[in-house]
Amino acid sequence: EAQVTQNPRYLITVTGKKLTVTCSQNMNHEYMSWYRQDPGLGLRQIYYSMNVEVTDKGDVPEGYKVSRKEKRNFPLILESPSPNQTSLYFCASSPKSLDRLISGNTIYFGEGSWLTVV
Amino acid sequence: AQKVTQAQTEISVVEKEDVTLDCVYETRDTTYYLFWYKQPPSGELVFLIRRNSFDEQNEISGRYSWNFQKSTSSFNFTITASQVVDSAVYFCALSEGGATNKLIFGTGTLLAVQP
Repeated sequence: EAQVTQNPRYLITVTGKKLTVTCSQNMNHEYMSWYRQDPGLGLRQIYYSMNVEVTDKGDVPEGYKVSRKEKRNFPLILESPSPNQTSLYFCASSPKSLDRLISGNTIYFGEGSWLTVV
Repeated sequence: AQKVTQAQTEISVVEKEDVTLDCVYETRDTTYYLFWYKQPPSGELVFLIRRNSFDEQNEISGRYSWNFQKSTSSFNFTITASQVVDSAVYFCALSEGGATNKLIFGTGTLLAVQP
């Protein structure tokens, strides 16, 4: 079964305490990304990766880091979390190019990680 | 710049009513992809449909149907005979594909179906 798995699903942490949200996919996809969802703003891209060791900033990268050492994993790192990073986070995975997707194939999302920074 | 507008913030209907969720998009690309996702109260994003810009055929899947009109840059979603289980936030999204597959999301429409 095609899956994108995120952990933890729920986390309450304190300001400044480093944390990592893991993301793993089992579809051998080249492309992975992180989004955050905030009320009234929809989802916005934080970082993305086109392949192993290739990462780049999305629209809201401040305060986040990522790494892509293996194709299946794409962790999101908050080095020093702040309350404005309280949000619902989604990891996404897809084949290298949507142009090559077969009918019905798409961008897959994890179940989301609810993060609260106090 | 790409943009997706979902003007309806919240919609409330009574069970068995039909409801249409509007989505208007902006893009300069001639090749792009449109998506609808459902987000139930549990929070996960459930993929509903992907539509390519070069395929303007409307699609029906059970009680769900989608009307894609390039002339008005719209990709509207209709639920026929709504049910309480349809209550969720629905997101329309646009991707220009290419190297990044980045999705531009609308702000979502909260649909409440009353019994």
